[in-house]
Amino acid sequence: GAVVSQHPSWVICKSGTSVKIECRSLDFQATTMFWYRQFPKQSLMLMATSNEGSKATYEQGVEKDKFLINHASLTLSTLTVTSAHPEDSSFYICSARKYSGDEQFFGPGTRLTVL
Amino acid sequence: EDQVTQSPEALRLQEGESSSLNCSYTVSGLRGLFWYRQDPGKGPEFLFTLYSAGEEKEKERLKATLTKKESFLHITAPKPEDSATYLCAVMGYSTLTFGKGTMLLVSP
Repeated sequence: GAVVSQHPSWVICKSGTSVKIECRSLDFQATTMFWYRQFPKQSLMLMATSNEGSKATYEQGVEKDKFLINHASLTLSTLTVTSAHPEDSSFYICSARKYSGDEQFFGPGTRLTVL
Repeated sequence: EDQVTQSPEALRLQEGESSSLNCSYTVSGLRGLFWYRQDPGKGPEFLFTLYSAGEEKEKERLKATLTKKESFLHITAPKPEDSATYLCAVMGYSTLTFGKGTMLLVSP
């Protein structure tokens, strides 16, 4: 199998607070993890790519100081949305790729609502 | 820049009515084309990977095919539980580029 979990599944926070989202590969080691965001009826937009033990690579237009990514182990990556604002409200999805293979396996997503 | 266009945007079928979804792409050096299924409020579920023109993959009522410019996802005798959004993605150098998806609704 290739199961990826995310926690929490949904979160509501006040503007200005920080929110941490966890992504775990449950039955395999993920050398690379990815973070996406998805707006309603839109495609998944890659935010950043993270490799275990190294700094994340952010896509153009994504603020690295606002979206902090840590990939501390082969099974865990975290995304912290710092000083969240209503425009950060979205569906955040992580994925993980095994050492061998090109397929990405996705988590169930986290719905973030910033009031 | 890699691009993926999926059509139609939405498709409504009767149970048992076979059809095909299209994914047209442009990519610098195709490393793989992927199909995913996404249910509302959930993350995408991996279906197939295709690597070269002429390749076909099958899983239950689904069959994916690939040419040099497009891929098709054929759905044979669909059931209501096949209702979902089907996403196509291409991998060029290192990252996936997704299309917007085709929302499929199968009515009993």
